[in-house]
Formats: sequence, structure tokens, C-alpha cells
Amino acid sequence: DQQVKQNSPSLSVQEGRISILNCDYTNSMFDYFLWYKKYPAEGPTFLISISSIKDKNEDGRFTVFLNKSAKHLSLHIVPSQPGDSAVYFCAASGFYTGTASKLTFGTGTRLQVTL
Amino acid sequence: GAGVSQSPSNKVTEKGKDVELRCDPISGHTALYWYRQSLGQGLEFLIYFQGNSAPDKSGLPSDRFSAERTGGSVSTLTIQRTQQEDSAVYLCASSLGDRWAGKETQYFGPGTRLLVL
Repeated sequence: DQQVKQNSPSLSVQEGRISILNCDYTNSMFDYFLWYKKYPAEGPTFLISISSIKDKNEDGRFTVFLNKSAKHLSLHIVPSQPGDSAVYFCAASGFYTGTASKLTFGTGTRLQVTL
Repeated sequence: GAGVSQSPSNKVTEKGKDVELRCDPISGHTALYWYRQSLGQGLEFLIYFQGNSAPDKSGLPSDRFSAERTGGSVSTLTIQRTQQEDSAVYLCASSLGDRWAGKETQYFGPGTRLLVL
């Protein structure tokens, strides 16, 4: 049972344009959401997070939007740069899910930013 | 400063053999996590250590998997009688451990790529 889903395995965007990565979740007990970025042969690195009490969080070129009613979040990267090419993982956690220490990850979306 | 390190970076073993994977967390981080990523899958939580508390082992897939953390620092993940389905990248992460784990920024190591023939 995949509780965090990233339905697009890959995405290609031109440099300078907006990249939009999507994530859906099924567990309504999730109340904290994170995005991690992963380059080949490296571990994931934290990018940005959002609490369920907010619907938007912005950090430089990165913005995460949360739509709780739709159980959907998205990561916007504007403008996209070639160095953004990586695999992006959506993750979720919930204090009342029964395993408070656990992050549940999606399967990732590979973003390629072309020149 | 030094990040999370893992060894070996790659491990090839025969089915039925035992393997040990090592993780050195960031100094001062009291929380340590193990995940694995199988081909085409997301990161799957395995186990979580926090200070002297009993570890959260809820993600271990079978009793062939075990982990320990000595002295609150280095951790070893052991897989006994390896099977081909154990082939995956095993990732270790650490965090400060001063707040609820679900909100902490986890710092990942580069992973150990395990191949069971």
C-alpha cells in the first residue's frame, strides 16, 4: 500500500522555465511533508518542508504548495537550472500515525533540466 | 564538517551469506535511521535509534534483519542468510534528535549498494 505517490517517474523542463513536481498521499494522519533531492551515487538531501497548518512555503526558487482537501502537494522550481537535474522524493510524516519516527517516501520523480 | 559515512559503498555477496553494513553518523546527532531503496521503489524505513531509547524496529522486513548502535554513535545493519530480494541500496541517515523525528532534517549517507547473487 503506497501511502505517498509520485505518479510521474520523470519530467523534462527547459532551463529558465518552471518545474512542477507532484505528490499525492492517502493517509489523512500525515501532518508534515518534505521534499528531498538526490543526485546519483549520493544520499538524498533535504530541500524544503511544509506543515499541514500551512498551504504554502517558499525558499528561494523553491515553493511547496499543500492542498489538504485533495491530499496533494507540489514542488515548484522557478526558474529551473541545469543543476536542478536530480531525483526528487516527496516524504510525509504524522505524529499520530503510530510510528512518529517514520518518514514515508514516494518513489521519486527524475527531473531533467535541458539547455 | 564530516557528513554521514557508510561502508562499504558496494557489496556483492552470495545468497545465504551474512552481511554487515556500517554507518557513521554526524558527530553529535543522537538520532539514526536506516532505509533501503529497492529498484524502482521509494525509500523504505527500516529502523530508528534515538539516544538510549528502545529502537523503533517496525520497518524491519524479517527477523533476518537486525541493527545495533554502539555507544550512541556507529550503527551496524546485519542481514543474515541473504536472499536475492535483499538486493537494494541501504541508506543511513542521522539527525540532531532534539525534536519530534518526523520534523527533523535527516542527513543521509551515500548508501551501500548490496547485490545478492
